Amino acid sequence: DQQVKQNSPSLSVQEGRISILNCDYTNSMFDYFLWYKKYPAEGPTFLISISSIKDKNEDGRFTVFLNKSAKHLSLHIVPSQPGDSAVYFCAASAINDMRFGAGTRLTVKP
Amino acid sequence: ETGVTQTPRHLVMGMTNKKSLKCEQHLGHNAMYWYKQSAKKPLELMFVYNFKEQTENNSVPSRFSPECPNSSHLFLHLHTLQPEDSALYLCASSPSTGANTGELFFGEGSRLTVL
Repeated sequence: DQQVKQNSPSLSVQEGRISILNCDYTNSMFDYFLWYKKYPAEGPTFLISISSIKDKNEDGRFTVFLNKSAKHLSLHIVPSQPGDSAVYFCAASAINDMRFGAGTRLTVKP
Repeated sequence: ETGVTQTPRHLVMGMTNKKSLKCEQHLGHNAMYWYKQSAKKPLELMFVYNFKEQTENNSVPSRFSPECPNSSHLFLHLHTLQPEDSALYLCASSPSTGANTGELFFGEGSRLTVL
């Protein structure tokens, strides 16, 4: 029962271009959504979040968009930098429950 | 010192061994979690402790046994594991459970290989 899905296991973009990572969820009870970033040999670190009462949250080069009707969220990184190369996990949260996607490996080429 | 520390970082064990993973958090949080990350799979929640009380056991086999002696320390005791239990085990903490607006703070993980 995978309630949070990241259908693209990997994504490769050129430095300076936009990276768009996608995430879909099935449980309408989720009302808070997060993106985590994970480098090799490190634990995931929190990147950006959005509440279900919003449809967009921006923090520097990172913007998360939420489409509740489609149960879809996306993370935009612009401009992409080589240091952004990592695995990105989408997470969806309800009371006492947080579910993660399988992750998308982003590679930003110089 | 990092917020959430896990030891050992790497562990290789046979199926008949008994070992333990340790997690310590220095953030003053009251909730601690064990997650399992297998290759190309979502992070799987295993156990949740809130104020030292176990609040979640996500249908985890009994060969995994958690222990939370205080809000800062969390252990995962391992015995008679199977090769398919090989994975990255991540510990996380948060201020408390019951609120869904908080991020989790993860440790670096313990990479377990069962031979």
